[in-house]
Amino acid sequence: QQPVQSPQAVILREGEDAVINCSSSKALYSVHWYRQKHGEAPVFLMILLKGGEQKGHEKISASFNEKKQQSSLYLTASQLSYSGTYFCGTEISGAQKLVFGQGTRLTINP
Amino acid sequence: DTGVSQDPRHKITKRGQNVTFRCDPISEHNRLYWYRQTLGQGPEFLTYFQNEAQLEKSRLLSDRFSAERPKGSFSTLEIQRTEQGDSAMYLCASSTGTGGIGTNEKLFFGSGTQLSVL
Repeated sequence: QQPVQSPQAVILREGEDAVINCSSSKALYSVHWYRQKHGEAPVFLMILLKGGEQKGHEKISASFNEKKQQSSLYLTASQLSYSGTYFCGTEISGAQKLVFGQGTRLTINP
Repeated sequence: DTGVSQDPRHKITKRGQNVTFRCDPISEHNRLYWYRQTLGQGPEFLTYFQNEAQLEKSRLLSDRFSAERPKGSFSTLEIQRTEQGDSAMYLCASSTGTGGIGTNEKLFFGSGTQLSVL
């Protein structure tokens, strides 16, 4: 039931782009994305509801393909502040809880 | 809005002891979640409350774990007879709880309680 994220880790130079994928074996109602910095609480980034929408937040955007039960997070022109571990949280219809992936660790170097 | 507060931040205990953690959600948030996170893993769902009602408890959770949310405000998570495998970060999160999570409801996480069982 836990979604699978890929890749597990990414190392970039500042200004480069990254894509983080999240796949589920179950039909999804929504996908949430959170970022967690070391020693801190996860922080909400965005929610995508079923319908294949795409959302943007500054230079971070995401898409949700309901049929493929997949979501992708896009980080463009990465900044040092983007470093951290990114988690997708998935909701199976009616569950009213999030099941999180194992995380993707993103490191941005100057 | 002071955010979600958790106490204590760190807890070191000996195997076999009981521990209790507290979570104060954002005021007027009706829904409260407990998650457990180990190093290098995502948060793992433990249980959640809608107001004072505990609506779901993970099947992975043994009967040594119990959670309460009296009066629908703060919540406590108790672990009895702790084991070394209980060592983890215990995260609390709250949301408005006015609908299902699928209705655009984000979680606000606390900073967690780091439990170390020796």
